[in-house]
Amino acid sequence: NAGVTQTPKFRILKIGQSMTLQCAQDMNHNYMYWYRQDPGMGLKLIYYSVGAGITDKGEVPNGYNVSRSTTEDFPLRLELAAPSQTSVYFCASSTGTSLGTDTQYFGPGTRLTVL
Amino acid sequence: SQKIEQNSEALNIQEGKTATLTCNYTNYSPAYLQWYRQDPGRGPVFLLLIRENEKEKRKERLKVTFDTTLKQSLFHITASQPADSATYLCAAGGAGNNRKLIWGLGTSLAVNP
Repeated sequence: NAGVTQTPKFRILKIGQSMTLQCAQDMNHNYMYWYRQDPGMGLKLIYYSVGAGITDKGEVPNGYNVSRSTTEDFPLRLELAAPSQTSVYFCASSTGTSLGTDTQYFGPGTRLTVL
Repeated sequence: SQKIEQNSEALNIQEGKTATLTCNYTNYSPAYLQWYRQDPGRGPVFLLLIRENEKEKRKERLKVTFDTTLKQSLFHITASQPADSATYLCAAGGAGNNRKLIWGLGTSLAVNP
């Protein structure tokens, strides 16, 4: 299993440009998440999905959009990039079982710089 | 608001000693706590989970405790090695449909040879 994969690893955007961060998992997990991690700020949840066709906002959704058309893929779209979106973005997935415990499996991250 | 707090100061210890990291929670009664390890430039990796009805869990050189009275979890690494140097994150989760974890900022651990 490849686990959770993310592309690209690095990207530099100009202010106002758009891009899509790709995330895929091959573990048949129901739940998927997008986080951003800034120095000294910890992991902040942007969006999450509990299954194909279902998404919901996290703590910091402004400036981002997501879709979940398949169980495997959960792309994150940045529209009109701003310097405040400079960050490291992590995608994660979890089984979403009824046991109430959700170990999250993370991808390697995408380091995005907006200039 | 719900908050997870970890020691913000880096922890430096000598190889072979036991490292103890603290995670405190406020305004929250998590159903479980998780500990993750994060190396520079990489995503967090799950280490251990402990439920609210468990006092202690162990895995090899790792031990985690959960004290609901003190609202605290302690994470221990015994016989520490330089390879244990990393940032350790604590995350708290709820039961049922509340799948969102609340994350601490992490504590940086450096094990010196």
